[in-house]
Amino acid sequence: EAGVTQPPRYAVLQEGQAVSFWCDPISGHDTLYWYQQPRDQGPQLLVYFRDEAVIDNSQLPSDRFSAVRPKGTNSTLKIQSAKQGDTATYLCASSFGSGGYEQYFGPGTRLTVL
Amino acid sequence: GDSVTQTEGPVTLSEGTSLTVNCSYETKQYPTLFWYVQYPGEGPQLLFKVPKANEKGSNRGFEATYNKEATSFHLQKASVQESDSAVYYCALRVSGSFNKLTFGAGTRLAVCP
Repeated sequence: EAGVTQPPRYAVLQEGQAVSFWCDPISGHDTLYWYQQPRDQGPQLLVYFRDEAVIDNSQLPSDRFSAVRPKGTNSTLKIQSAKQGDTATYLCASSFGSGGYEQYFGPGTRLTVL
Repeated sequence: GDSVTQTEGPVTLSEGTSLTVNCSYETKQYPTLFWYVQYPGEGPQLLFKVPKANEKGSNRGFEATYNKEATSFHLQKASVQESDSAVYYCALRVSGSFNKLTFGAGTRLAVCP
């Protein structure tokens, strides 16, 4: 069974540019999570979905961040006008259900904003 | 809000020595506690969880007991191997949080042969 996939592994851009992160969860998993992991810190939850619905997006840092999951499968996290402080690894995780089921993480996309 | 505090790293050990990584948490709700491990270039993966107070979780020689009175959940291993080199995260989930995890800052472990 394929795990959570998140191409590409790395992204480098200048301040002010936009960037999108893509996540393909494990087949059949209805709950999807996006985390931000700054260097040498633990993952911090940004937003999560049950099917196509946003359950909680209160931790998105600002209105520069947005996330969608239109068909309840793949998801995209977007940063408009990136800043150096956005430099981090963006992790996606999925689970079957949101009632305490194990979350499976992808390898993440490491973003560097110059 | 909920928080998790763990031993600052890096921790460097020789093969065959014992490991303890301290973890304490704060929450006003009922927690389920986890230890995750992250290898270079990978996402975190679940090491084990302990849902109930005073119970022990274990996997791959690692273990931790959930001490409700001390609000602690320390990770231990009697004899580490070079392959245990990774970053270890303590995490908690509180009841009614829709599976939301709160992670500690992580403890980087380096085991020398």
